[in-house]
Amino acid sequence: EDQVTQSPEALRLQEGESSSLNCSYTVSGLRGLFWYRQDPGKGPEFLFTLYSAGEEKEKERLKATLTKKESFLHITAPKPEDSATYLCAVYPSGGGSEKLVFGKGTKLTVNP
Amino acid sequence: EAGVTQSPTHLIKTRGQQATLRCSPISGHTSVYWYQQALGLGLQFLLWYDEGEERNRGNFPPRFSGRQFPNYSSELNVNALELEDSALYLCASRALSGQEYNEQFFGPGTRLTVL
Repeated sequence: EDQVTQSPEALRLQEGESSSLNCSYTVSGLRGLFWYRQDPGKGPEFLFTLYSAGEEKEKERLKATLTKKESFLHITAPKPEDSATYLCAVYPSGGGSEKLVFGKGTKLTVNP
Repeated sequence: EAGVTQSPTHLIKTRGQQATLRCSPISGHTSVYWYQQALGLGLQFLLWYDEGEERNRGNFPPRFSGRQFPNYSSELNVNALELEDSALYLCASRALSGQEYNEQFFGPGTRLTVL
């Protein structure tokens, strides 16, 4: 069964304290891995798409990387405004199915 | 460019009633997806529409249904509401491109509360 597991469930950082969030996935054939940011009560905001092991994407203080079994979202020198829940999702294996399978997310809190 | 829009923002219903939620995709996007996000749970796939047709549905009972209109906007209907239907309902749209499995863009959601 296709599965996405994110860790840790929650992470508290001090402003400027860099860290990484993990997303491990179990799919027989990866068709795309996506990172989203979600603020409370709002819809997920798209951050990155990764397709191949070794691929990296960067945006401001965020950098996403992909291996054959997991993805990392690295946050460098975070600010309080980076506080949010970060979601990882994949398209599952099997033809004709384009639903995204989401992990439960990592809730990040950055204290000033 | 306008993003995905959803209406209403909030909806309060009583058990047994019907709810209708609406979604307008990003201009040029033909695929619309519906997800349910209940408190403490992750996003769960509900329905996928493309070119006016239902292409796939998640593991939800038939009282969850919807449709897509010729302008690609979509409607989600939930009949015989139950308390556990209370959740944030999210709509997403996707553009057809050379990369078949590209990203979905989400709207702000409709918060449905069933009393």
